[in-house]
Amino acid sequence: AQSVTQPDIHITVSEGASLELRCNYSYGATPYLFWYVQSPGQGLQLLLKYFSGDTLVQGIKGFEAEFKRSQSSFNLRKPSVHWSDAAEYFCAVGARWGYQKVTFGTGTKLQVIP
Amino acid sequence: NAGVTQTPKFQVLKTGQSMTLQCAQDMNHEYMSWYRQDPGMGLRLIHYSVGAGITDQGEVPNGYNVSRSTTEDFPLRLLSAAPSQTSVYFCASRSPSGSSGELFFGEGSRLTVL
Repeated sequence: AQSVTQPDIHITVSEGASLELRCNYSYGATPYLFWYVQSPGQGLQLLLKYFSGDTLVQGIKGFEAEFKRSQSSFNLRKPSVHWSDAAEYFCAVGARWGYQKVTFGTGTKLQVIP
Repeated sequence: NAGVTQTPKFQVLKTGQSMTLQCAQDMNHEYMSWYRQDPGMGLRLIHYSVGAGITDQGEVPNGYNVSRSTTEDFPLRLLSAAPSQTSVYFCASRSPSGSSGELFFGEGSRLTVL
């Protein structure tokens, strides 16, 4: 069965500092991987996705993520965090082809301090 | 461009009452799904559908019922509401798998069961 683990429930970083959010997945084939962001009281917005090709994926708002097949990881990074990045971040995995379900991790809540 | 529309946005029920959360999408997506979001548990899949007349269970289907009579609509029914069903519910649809196969989410429906 497919699954996603986000080991960090809550992370606090200073504004301007770098950020890395961890995501490990379990999937029986080459996965389709996503990062979504949810601001308080809002819906979910796609940050970036990995489908195929270059394992370093660029997204919106200056985020990037790297797919590492050998480590079953898809960590999200940002070189310099802004106060507006405070939100909850979800990693998700699904099939690349065919209509199959998408499974989410439990999320990492990011707090940004001045 | 409406995308995915959920109604109602807020609902309060008493234990034992029934209700239907509505979801409609105008992107001609075959795949539609319902998630519930609870603190610390991320998004958990309730039911999903890969086309009109085809539905399947997700991780937490008990107490919920779905049907899919058209491509556009995917209602979620609570047959006899329980306090454990207090949650935020998200409907999501997905385009055919391929490089654009991410989930598109509605704005969510906050349900409280007393």
